[in-house]
Amino acid sequence: AQTVTQSQPEMSVQEAETVTLSCTYDTSESDYYLFWYKQPPSRQMILVIRQEAYKQQNATENRFSVNFQKAAKSFSLKISDSQLGDAAMYFCAYRSGGTSYGKLTFGQGTILTVHP
Amino acid sequence: DTAVSQTPKYLVTQMGNDKSIKCEQNLGHDTMYWYKQDSKKFLKIMFSYNNKELIINETVPNRFSPKSPDKAHLNLHINSLELGDSAVYFCASRRRGPGTGELFFGEGSRLTVL
Repeated sequence: AQTVTQSQPEMSVQEAETVTLSCTYDTSESDYYLFWYKQPPSRQMILVIRQEAYKQQNATENRFSVNFQKAAKSFSLKISDSQLGDAAMYFCAYRSGGTSYGKLTFGQGTILTVHP
Repeated sequence: DTAVSQTPKYLVTQMGNDKSIKCEQNLGHDTMYWYKQDSKKFLKIMFSYNNKELIINETVPNRFSPKSPDKAHLNLHINSLELGDSAVYFCASRRRGPGTGELFFGEGSRLTVL
């Protein structure tokens, strides 16, 4: 079974600075997808960024980018120019590319605090 | 226009009661899910339906029973509620098929069992 590990329970960053959230996963599959979801205090789960395992290029969405290291099974999220609205819990998630019916396996989450 | 909507958003009830949480999606997706987020914020899948057919059934007590009257709706019924059932329950949906196919989540339903 696949597992996802987020080793940082909490992180903090100053507004306008850059922060990196770590995620590692364990799988024997070659075809899979990785995601970062954000959960602000409102509880809503919001997709931040996604990465297909077959793509070598790291995904980027505005201030959010990932460092995908397939051999190391690492998928970190970098937030540049941090804003107060980035404060939330961030979840790394894995989905098999095979017949998984879209099942997501989540990490434990990292609480991000942004200081003004 | 809420894509995935859940009702109720908050539910407080006594141990032993039976309760239901409803979910509806207007995205035209084929697959719907129930996830449970416990007090430590850990998210775990419970069930998934694809076009009214149960396709994922994780190790969940029999007291939990999902029902999908059509592909736009997936309800969760819980019998004989226990203290440990207190959690936030998320409904989600996804278009079936290959590709990244992100999950769209509802706002969650916070269940408190007293």
